[in-house]
Amino acid sequence: KQEVTQIPAALSVPEGENLVLNCSFTDSAIYNLQWFRQDPGKGLTSLLLIQSSQREQTSGRLNASLDKSSGRSTLYIAASQPGDSATYLCAATNSGYALNFGKGTSLLVTP
Amino acid sequence: EAGVTQFPSHSVIEKGQTVTLRCDPISGHDNLYWYRRVMGKEIKFLLHFVKESKQDESGMPNNRFLAERTGGTYSTLKVQPAELEDSGVYFCASSQGPRLADYYEQYFGPGTRLTVT
Repeated sequence: KQEVTQIPAALSVPEGENLVLNCSFTDSAIYNLQWFRQDPGKGLTSLLLIQSSQREQTSGRLNASLDKSSGRSTLYIAASQPGDSATYLCAATNSGYALNFGKGTSLLVTP
Repeated sequence: EAGVTQFPSHSVIEKGQTVTLRCDPISGHDNLYWYRRVMGKEIKFLLHFVKESKQDESGMPNNRFLAERTGGTYSTLKVQPAELEDSGVYFCASSQGPRLADYYEQYFGPGTRLTVT
């Protein structure tokens, strides 16, 4: 059974800092791993999808890496902004469809 | 392009009542998923449709939950009778098809917050 853990549970940084969010998973036989963002009272917004054959994906100031052998993924956010404040969720799938989520990291970027 | 929509956004019902949640996926998406988050827990998979067929409903909590997807378009999730522990946020997601390809991202709706009193 796939278990996904996200550390830290909460993070507060000043604007402009670069930061890294961590995600670990217990079963390395994943199809892909997806990072989401959730704003309070809103749904999940897909940020990046990394296929099992890929090592990283980039979108703007976001970069996600995947190391299957160690069961880890990181989400790097460059030059953080207050608008980046949200909960970031990591989800891995072994079946190709059922996502296994972590509990998320709550990020606060202060001006 | 419209995203995944869910109705209602909130529902408050009494224990023992019936509630039906609706999800409209992104047009053309064959795959539809239901997930649930109960307070303090992570989001959990409930089931997966490919068009109108249930591919995997292993995450459904019990037989009080019934999901349907008539005609392969929108889906409904009925809880009957509702219990207190059914409270939570129910998310719907969709992704492209036609196969169970690992490529396609899942796009989530805003969720339905269900409160059972």
